[in-house]
Amino acid sequence: DTGVSQNPRHKITKRGQNVTFRCDPISEHNRLYWYRQTLGQGPEFLTYFQNEAQLEKSRLLSDRFSAERPKGSFSTLEIQRTEQGDSAMYLCASSPRGGTGNTIYFGEGSWLTVV
Amino acid sequence: QQQVKQSPQSLIVQKGGISIINCAYENTAFDYFPWYQQFPGKGPALLIAIRPDVSEKKEGRFTISFNKSAKQFSLHIMDSQPGDSATYFCAARSTNFGNEKLTFGTGTRLTIIP
Repeated sequence: DTGVSQNPRHKITKRGQNVTFRCDPISEHNRLYWYRQTLGQGPEFLTYFQNEAQLEKSRLLSDRFSAERPKGSFSTLEIQRTEQGDSAMYLCASSPRGGTGNTIYFGEGSWLTVV
Repeated sequence: QQQVKQSPQSLIVQKGGISIINCAYENTAFDYFPWYQQFPGKGPALLIAIRPDVSEKKEGRFTISFNKSAKQFSLHIMDSQPGDSATYFCAARSTNFGNEKLTFGTGTRLTIIP
């Protein structure tokens, strides 16, 4: 169990460029979540997968954001035509099935700075 | 709409003292209440969690007190240590299928001074 892994950890991009973040959940966790956290705030839910199915999306997830989880393993979060307001830490989390399914484990996040 | 309200925003406690952080929620469908600890530059780490069928849960120096009728819960850190200095987030979640997202409070920055 190596924990939730996120890459890249830091990304600086120019406004208007596209960026993609990758998340590798804890092995055999079938639930995967994306959150966004800005300085001084708590994480805000973006979207959630159970296996490869995207079951819930927040209103925060504009049409410039897309998340995928092919084959129910790793996930990617793509932001198209980045804006300065997209600057934040993007957190991935995963959760196992079954009786311990309530515990959500977070990765260390991917920092995005849009300049 | 902020569904989980957390206070205080920041807290300074003497080493060895008790740190108390409070949260209140609105959504009666919430049935799982975790606390997360976050150090600068790191992701949140689960500290302790409680379900509403108990009024208190203790793990080491950390205790959650839960008041279902008041829709409030709090984190108590006994014998606070400098290593406890971090930001603490309360959260709430409904465990109904298809509605499993965590809703977080705004965080409390805790500083333990020697």
